[in-house]
Amino acid sequence: DVKVTQSSRYLVKRTGEKVFLECVQDMDHENMFWYRQDPGLGLRLIYFSYDVKMKEKGDIPEGYSVSREKKERFSLILESASTNQTSMYLCASTLGQRREKLFFGSGTQLSVL
Amino acid sequence: KQEVTQIPAALSVPEGENLVLNCSFTDSAIYNLQWFRQDPGKGLTSLLLIQSSQREQTSGRLNASLDKSSGRSTLYIAASQPGDSATYLCAVQRTGGGNKLTFGTGTQLKVEL
Repeated sequence: DVKVTQSSRYLVKRTGEKVFLECVQDMDHENMFWYRQDPGLGLRLIYFSYDVKMKEKGDIPEGYSVSREKKERFSLILESASTNQTSMYLCASTLGQRREKLFFGSGTQLSVL
Repeated sequence: KQEVTQIPAALSVPEGENLVLNCSFTDSAIYNLQWFRQDPGKGLTSLLLIQSSQREQTSGRLNASLDKSSGRSTLYIAASQPGDSATYLCAVQRTGGGNKLTFGTGTQLKVEL
């Protein structure tokens, strides 16, 4: 089975800190995604990457950046964390062909104080 | 812009009951539709994926149907069990959108003893 691993289950950070969320997948998937999930708003796409060093903005990229230096690893960066970035962050990957299942990590619950 | 709606937001049923969860989408130009399960505080697990050319998919006690022309999908769960308690989300992959999915906000299901 595909494994998508997010480095932290819970994180507590202070306003203004730079925050790194890491995600690793072990199935040589081409496409990787970062979503945030908020009550009542569902999942919203922040960024995605379809190849190493390639990235595209999703629906809510403001305040975030990403890095994909290796195929298996996709990092989400909060340049200067703010309280409205408190959320559940979910990483996902898929093989890269259209019509493929999406595999998710367990999520990182980030609290910005 | 694609919008995905799931009604009801929450549902409680007695164990053993057959039930149907609903998903509707506004733009019928989709590649596929996926149903996911999410347990509290966890990531999403893909249950079923229906391609746009298909009418239904089955896995064990789960059956998902797709009516693209009317913008509707249903997830049928037979002989429900307490272990089925979770939030169920549907998501559509839109054509021309790469691998991006648009998610509904989910139906929270509770199966009671």
